[in-house]
Amino acid sequence: EAQVTQNPRYLITVTGKKLTVTCSQNMNHEYMSWYRQDPGLGLRQIYYSMNVEVTDKGDVPEGYKVSRKEKRNFPLILESPSPNQTSLYFCASSATGNQPQHFGDGTRLSIL
Amino acid sequence: KQEVTQIPAALSVPEGENLVLNCSFTDSAIYNLQWFRQDPGKGLTSLLLIQSSQREQTSGRLNASLDKSSGRSTLYIAASQPGDSATYLCAASSGGGTSYGKLTFGQGTILTVHP
Repeated sequence: EAQVTQNPRYLITVTGKKLTVTCSQNMNHEYMSWYRQDPGLGLRQIYYSMNVEVTDKGDVPEGYKVSRKEKRNFPLILESPSPNQTSLYFCASSATGNQPQHFGDGTRLSIL
Repeated sequence: KQEVTQIPAALSVPEGENLVLNCSFTDSAIYNLQWFRQDPGKGLTSLLLIQSSQREQTSGRLNASLDKSSGRSTLYIAASQPGDSATYLCAASSGGGTSYGKLTFGQGTILTVHP
């Protein structure tokens, strides 16, 4: 089954403790992207990747890092999480940047 | 910077009505315009993608149009059903240069279709 898998689905952690949210897709897609969704602000793009070793900033990249060492995985790294990064995070992929995106089920992060 | 606006913010209609959701964007240099559906507690599901060179796309009871010159897209839902109740989001993909692949979302329209 074609899918985008995010882990963990839920996480409560504390300020400053490094964390990684993993994202994996099984569709051999070139394009992958991370978003955060906040009430009143909607969905905003954090980072995206056009292909392996090619990443670029979205609208809200501050405080986040990504890497794309292999096609299927696109982890989101919070080196020093802060409470303003409490949010619902989505990973998505598509065959290319000009194709419909498939979304994961989301990761709800709470940073205390 | 691209800005995407959706009107109305919420819509409640009786079952069977035809309805139109609106999306406007400020920068007409888009690569494509996408419509998504989001159910409560779920991720997004892609409904339609219109390339910048296209005027419309259709899938079943859904029809999306794109007018780049006026910065507008509409999603038409025919014969609405209670199962269509969800939040509908549009997103504009920036075209060309280093911003290719950048996606800007509207705030969404919350649709409720009551029996």
